[in-house]
Amino acid sequence: GAVVSQHPSRVICKSGTSVKIECRSLDFQATTMFWYRQFPKQSLMLMATSNEGSKATYEQGVEKDKFLINHASLTLSTLTVTSAHPEDSSFYICSARDQGGSSSYNEQFFGPGTRLTVL
Amino acid sequence: AQSVTQLDSQVPVFEEAPVELRCNYSSSVSVYLFWYVQYPNQGLQLLLKYLSGSTLVKGINGFEAEFNKSQTSFHLRKPSVHISDTAEYFCAVRSGSSASKIIFGSGTRLSIRP
Repeated sequence: GAVVSQHPSRVICKSGTSVKIECRSLDFQATTMFWYRQFPKQSLMLMATSNEGSKATYEQGVEKDKFLINHASLTLSTLTVTSAHPEDSSFYICSARDQGGSSSYNEQFFGPGTRLTVL
Repeated sequence: AQSVTQLDSQVPVFEEAPVELRCNYSSSVSVYLFWYVQYPNQGLQLLLKYLSGSTLVKGINGFEAEFNKSQTSFHLRKPSVHISDTAEYFCAVRSGSSASKIIFGSGTRLSIRP
């Protein structure tokens, strides 16, 4: 099946630094990717929808200047957490929607997640 | 706007007993429904999905779910659970429009007792 990868899988950084997380669709093209955040023992909350070649659409309450999203190609989206603080520590999961196929339903695949710890 | 409600935050069951995890959705349009499982410190794994057609959907690991439009429910069931089924289970919904996004329920922690 289709695979979505994330890099890095784990990252620890100091407060005030920026961290970039990559999300790649390995064997399909994805004009649309999604970024989710999951705090411990909680559900996945959608942060933003990333569209190739255009600006991301952020969910209410998500700071677009803090969580920079770049979807520069059909297989890569990046999330940059700028000036990270301990409260940004979380599990970040990306998802990519397969644009191929002839049906009206496009499968959406999830990456393995990136655990961010801000000291 | 679409939403998903998982009525039980935790469900403890004994090994080899049957289990049902409840899920209700709210949406004004046609929907796609999903169940995902998340093992500790891991990502999501798709258990099963309902797109259209037969209301009884069979998934991996012996799980199945039934789509009930009149009750707007999509409960997950397994006739006999194993210790290895201990995990967090998420119900999710996506509307049928091309621009739709997957929205997750709050999750149900299934704990299996020997």
